[in-house]
Amino acid sequence: DVVLTQTPSTLSATIGQSVSISCRSSQSLLDSAGNTYLYWYLQRPGQSPQLLIYLVSNLGSGVPNRFSGSGSGTDFTLKISGVEAEDLGVYYCMQATHAPLTFGSGTKLEIK
Amino acid sequence: QVTLKESGPGILQPSQTLSLTCTFSGFSLSTYGMGVGWIRQPSGKGLEWLANIWWDDDKYYNPSLKNRLTISKDTSNNQAFLKITNVDTADTATYYCAQINYLYYFDYWGQGVMVTVSS
Repeated sequence: DVVLTQTPSTLSATIGQSVSISCRSSQSLLDSAGNTYLYWYLQRPGQSPQLLIYLVSNLGSGVPNRFSGSGSGTDFTLKISGVEAEDLGVYYCMQATHAPLTFGSGTKLEIK
Repeated sequence: QVTLKESGPGILQPSQTLSLTCTFSGFSLSTYGMGVGWIRQPSGKGLEWLANIWWDDDKYYNPSLKNRLTISKDTSNNQAFLKITNVDTADTATYYCAQINYLYYFDYWGQGVMVTVSS
């Protein structure tokens, strides 16, 4: 199975600060057709996960543009440009290039 | 508006079969490219994908649960189902169903249903 390693595991930020979360894959997530099935989710406390980014860098519907995704191959990054209070929660990356579909272990964002 | 809601037994004993139902609205599982997936999350832990079923009845399972999983759908009633046989305490978790599309991401999630396996 593809292992997604997220760093850091915990992140503490002040309002307005920009932060980045890394997701490294044990295998390249580029498939033979040139697609990279890497996604980012946010799970707020007590809520279900919600999609932030799909296919590495595409913003989900209704997601604020302070969120952005980048990367290729095995290294991917989620950036929040100007953290807001509502951004607290656990961030997960997920891959669907290789079966079975797998999630990263999560990065908990705390607001100082 | 897409909504999904999971339902399940709440509590069951080891070795029993867990039956979960996902009732959804706002989309059809007969539409090309649409699917429903099941994901679970033990309390305080991360997410584990279990299975997907697609509009054409293709099914995919997480091999880590070997042959314990069965996913199915009732298109006319907008429901998807997941059965897990021979449950153990390790199956205690919140179980989510979610809409998955042809780009392979879970776009809409249910609120989750807590399942406890205990003797």
